[in-house]
Amino acid sequence: AQSVTQLGSHVSVSEGALVLLRCNYSSSVPPYLFWYVQYPNQGLQLLLKYTSAATLVKGINGFEAEFKKSETSFHLTKPSAHMSDAAEYFCAVKDQGGKLIFGQGTELSVKP
Amino acid sequence: DSGVTQTPKHLITATGQRVTLRCSPRSGDLSVYWYQQSLDQGLQFLIQYYNGEERAKGNILERFSAQQFPDLHSELNLSSLELGDSALYFCASSSRTSGKPDTQYFGPGTRLTVL
Repeated sequence: AQSVTQLGSHVSVSEGALVLLRCNYSSSVPPYLFWYVQYPNQGLQLLLKYTSAATLVKGINGFEAEFKKSETSFHLTKPSAHMSDAAEYFCAVKDQGGKLIFGQGTELSVKP
Repeated sequence: DSGVTQTPKHLITATGQRVTLRCSPRSGDLSVYWYQQSLDQGLQFLIQYYNGEERAKGNILERFSAQQFPDLHSELNLSSLELGDSALYFCASSSRTSGKPDTQYFGPGTRLTVL
């Protein structure tokens, strides 16, 4: 069975600092991986997705993620945090049936 | 705006009641997925439809049911509601059913409060 683990339910960074949100997956087949962001009182918005074309994936709003098979990781990074990045971030793996299996989420706080 | 619409946005009801949540997928998308987001369970897949047919079931209670209509909109019916059913219910749509890394686009959700 596929699963996703997000390390750290809360991450706090200062504005301008590096953002690193961790995601590890478990999958017996090559995974399709996604990062979604959820702003307060809103739905989930896709940030980026890994589809095996390239290990470094660039997404919206300056975010990127690197797929590392040897570490079974798909960590999300952004070089410089903005106040507007404060939100909850979800890593997900798509199972063979098509549904998404989500991690527990990481709430990102950005301090001025 | 993802192009997926959900109504109503908020729903407050009492235990034992029945409610219907509605979802309209993005134009052209044949797959509809329902997810439940709660504080204790996180985001959990409930059920998937593709072009009117049920394709997959997740952790969906027997008190819950869903269907997808010929115009591709979907409804999630929740009956004999309990306090623990209070959650945010999301609908997502995609163009394919499985096997491909297509994107699921999420609606804004329906927040259900059971009193």
